[in-house]
Amino acid sequence: KAGVTQTPRYLIKTRGQQVTLSCSPISGHRSVSWYQQTPGQGLQFLFEYFSETQRNKGNFPGRFSGRQFSNSRSEMNVSTLELGDSALYLCASSFLLHNEQFFGPGTRLTVL
Amino acid sequence: AQSVTQLGSHVSVSEGALVLLRCNYSSSVPPYLFWYVQYPNQGLQLLLKYTSAATLVKGINGFEAEFKKSETSFHLTKPSAHMSDAAEYFCAVSSLSDDYKLSFGAGTTVTVRA
Repeated sequence: KAGVTQTPRYLIKTRGQQVTLSCSPISGHRSVSWYQQTPGQGLQFLFEYFSETQRNKGNFPGRFSGRQFSNSRSEMNVSTLELGDSALYLCASSFLLHNEQFFGPGTRLTVL
Repeated sequence: AQSVTQLGSHVSVSEGALVLLRCNYSSSVPPYLFWYVQYPNQGLQLLLKYTSAATLVKGINGFEAEFKKSETSFHLTKPSAHMSDAAEYFCAVSSLSDDYKLSFGAGTTVTVRA
């Protein structure tokens, strides 16, 4: 079974731009969660989706948004990028809500 | 609210020596506890998890962890370190009190000396 895939793996943007990151969960998994990883703040929960509905949200500004499609694939969007948004963004999928999560390799976003 | 504290941001061990990574959690309700490993430029891989069954949990790659409720700890051990164990390790907690969101510790980087 293929693992969680994330595209793109690397991304460079400039301040003020917006970005969309994509995540394809393991086949059959219906829950997708997103995390931000930075050296200063560590791993922080962004949001969780299940059956196309956002079930949980972390403490991030409204510039961070996401969605999930009927095939369970998920995207997250960050608008009006700031230097502090530079991070590794990790996606994780699980079969159901609150199940064991399997992580993708991440998308490394650099904001210049 | 829940939280995780990992004692020691860096641990250096000799090859063949015991690996001990410390994790203490805070949770107002029974927690689920996890240890993840992250290799450079990769995502997180689950090593093991505690979900209220046996308190001694065995995971992959020879790692194990013991849940001690009285000490609110979930320390990770491996009897004999291998060079391939060099990585960053994260302890995480989830519980009903935080709607099962995963909260991670700051991580511990393990270096293995030949």
